Amino acid sequence: DSGVTQTPKHLITATGQRVTLRCSPRSGDLSVYWYQQSLDQGLQFLIQYYNGEERAKGNILERFSAQQFPDLHSELNLSSLELGDSALYFCASSVGGTSGGRGNIQYFGAGTRLSVL
Amino acid sequence: GQNIDQPTEMTATEGAIVQINCTYQTSGFNGLFWYQQHAGEAPTFLSYNVLDGLEEKGRFSSFLSRSKGYSYLLLKELQMKDSASYLCAVRDRGYSTLTFGKGTMLLVSP
Repeated sequence: DSGVTQTPKHLITATGQRVTLRCSPRSGDLSVYWYQQSLDQGLQFLIQYYNGEERAKGNILERFSAQQFPDLHSELNLSSLELGDSALYFCASSVGGTSGGRGNIQYFGAGTRLSVL
Repeated sequence: GQNIDQPTEMTATEGAIVQINCTYQTSGFNGLFWYQQHAGEAPTFLSYNVLDGLEEKGRFSSFLSRSKGYSYLLLKELQMKDSASYLCAVRDRGYSTLTFGKGTMLLVSP
């Protein structure tokens, strides 16, 4: 158990709908990262938050947004869903923001499997 | 930007040794990571290299050559439970975000 908690584990919805995925980081971690994993694309970085503020952005669509709350949990909002958004969505957390070193290793949650029908 | 290459699939026999290679190109380098991922599960951290050389941790070792943009993960005394995807990831200087390769699916047979 990595200590990163993601809910829900599974989500089935229809095209055009909106969903919210939730992530609680490990105790003491200030950074949260969101990733999308599909069979053909591998693990793709979406966005990072550090202590409530957006720190880095990857291949995140405009239909997707995220935020990190004062208690450090994070939510990823996916709207106007399309069939191609079906994927595993992972959250990871680490201690620091932009620092390197062994102390800033990312630990992953179990993921949310999103199926858009 | 970053470009990471690793073989798509490898097969090996229980008890054997296997080496999974990873090559990368990056504008700035601040560490290379290996993760293991069983199908449908979370990636789990295996190893971290930032300096050249070999890091050993039990049955798993990881090697880095920064000048060659090359790393490998060495798995010894293979077990059936080692059948998984192995992901190579690079961290850029000034960031804590990771860019992942597409992973190497390792199948261990009896």
